[in-house]
Amino acid sequence: NAGVMQNPRHLVRRRGQEARLRCSPMKGHSHVYWYRQLPEEGLKFMVYLQKENIIDESGMPKERFSAEFPKEGPSILRIQQVVRGDSAAYFCASSPPSIQGGIQYFGAGTRLSVL
Amino acid sequence: AQTVTQSQPEMSVQEAETVTLSCTYDTSESDYYLFWYKQPPSRQMILVIRQEAYKQQNATENRFSVNFQKAAKSFSLKISDSQLGDAAMYFCAYNTGTASKLTFGTGTRLQVTL
Repeated sequence: NAGVMQNPRHLVRRRGQEARLRCSPMKGHSHVYWYRQLPEEGLKFMVYLQKENIIDESGMPKERFSAEFPKEGPSILRIQQVVRGDSAAYFCASSPPSIQGGIQYFGAGTRLSVL
Repeated sequence: AQTVTQSQPEMSVQEAETVTLSCTYDTSESDYYLFWYKQPPSRQMILVIRQEAYKQQNATENRFSVNFQKAAKSFSLKISDSQLGDAAMYFCAYNTGTASKLTFGTGTRLQVTL
């Protein structure tokens, strides 16, 4: 059973470009979470999605950031018009529908570098 | 709002010795879950151990155990017989279970020396 897959592992963008980060949850998992980790800091929650629905986006910046989890295909975190402050590691986690005990399984992350 | 505090930015332990990492949290919930995650240099987040707040018994996973003090809102991680492969960042985290975001502490960097 493959784990949570994130790609790309590294993404370099120039200021003003768009960044698209992809996350394929573990098989059978229908809950996806995105977290951001700034250098030397802990992970901060961004958004929680189920298939075709955003459940909690309380951690998402109000502008330039969006997320989706379509019926088919991976979850996408999209950052428009990137700025240097967006440079960070972005982690995706997934959990099954009948989650027990709040466990979330993490991908290896995407490191975004904005030049 | 829930908060998780790790007051030790860095810790060091000799190989084969025991080390304890501290974590405190603040919540008004009565039912919740606590976790320790390990992040080695590869950046992969690896679940080390989980504690259910309604269980009084401390969780144990091989060389890893916790000291859960619900009244004090304390959740420390003890690593016994430390190994070089234990060197990593360790994050304490909290959530309220089903469909709930994780709240993380700022992490403790553990060094293991020979």
